Amino acid sequence: NAGVTQTPKFRVLKTGQSMTLLCAQDMNHEYMYWYRQDPGMGLRLIHYSVGEGTTAKGEVPDGYNVSRLKKQNFLLGLESAAPSQTSVYFCASDRKGPPYNEQFFGPGTRLTVL
Amino acid sequence: QQPVQSPQAVILREGEDAVINCSSSKALYSVHWYRQKHGEAPVFLMILLKGGEQKGHDKISASFNEKKQQSSLYLTASQLSYSGTYFCGTGSGNTGKLIFGQGTTLQVKP
Repeated sequence: NAGVTQTPKFRVLKTGQSMTLLCAQDMNHEYMYWYRQDPGMGLRLIHYSVGEGTTAKGEVPDGYNVSRLKKQNFLLGLESAAPSQTSVYFCASDRKGPPYNEQFFGPGTRLTVL
Repeated sequence: QQPVQSPQAVILREGEDAVINCSSSKALYSVHWYRQKHGEAPVFLMILLKGGEQKGHDKISASFNEKKQQSSLYLTASQLSYSGTYFCGTGSGNTGKLIFGQGTTLQVKP
């Protein structure tokens, strides 16, 4: 079991460029999440999915889009990157759902927008 | 709204105890605790539910006061491996999504 993997691990973008972050899990989990982590801010939920084909907004969804076409994959897109999107992005998944949702996190993607 | 954790940081000697608090302005359905070591991903520690049910770590305990909308994490006889940043996350019940606090950094020294 690889668990939760994220691609890429590091990326540098210029303002206005676009990119997609890929999250993959091999645990057959229904729920998947995208967070961003900034110093002193903790983890903030961007978007989440409660199953294949579903997505919903979290706390800070502006500037991001997501898709869950396959159960094992959750994609996070930045259409026009801004320096404020410089952050570490974590993907997570869980099997059981609320309230016993033990989330398994990927290793993170460090994104810098110049 | 983001739950508030206190203290923001704590430094301990090995063997000492620590308490980390998590307070919410909203009614809590569940509280989830995670630990993150520097440069790594957060790792699950515990879940506490309304009604007193707990699930998680065997060396770390926690409490959940529904009336006060607070949870506390108790780290006893701390070990060097306890160092890291601790996050509480509050659950809303239906969706699985968690709102995390800003974190408490714990450093255990020999």
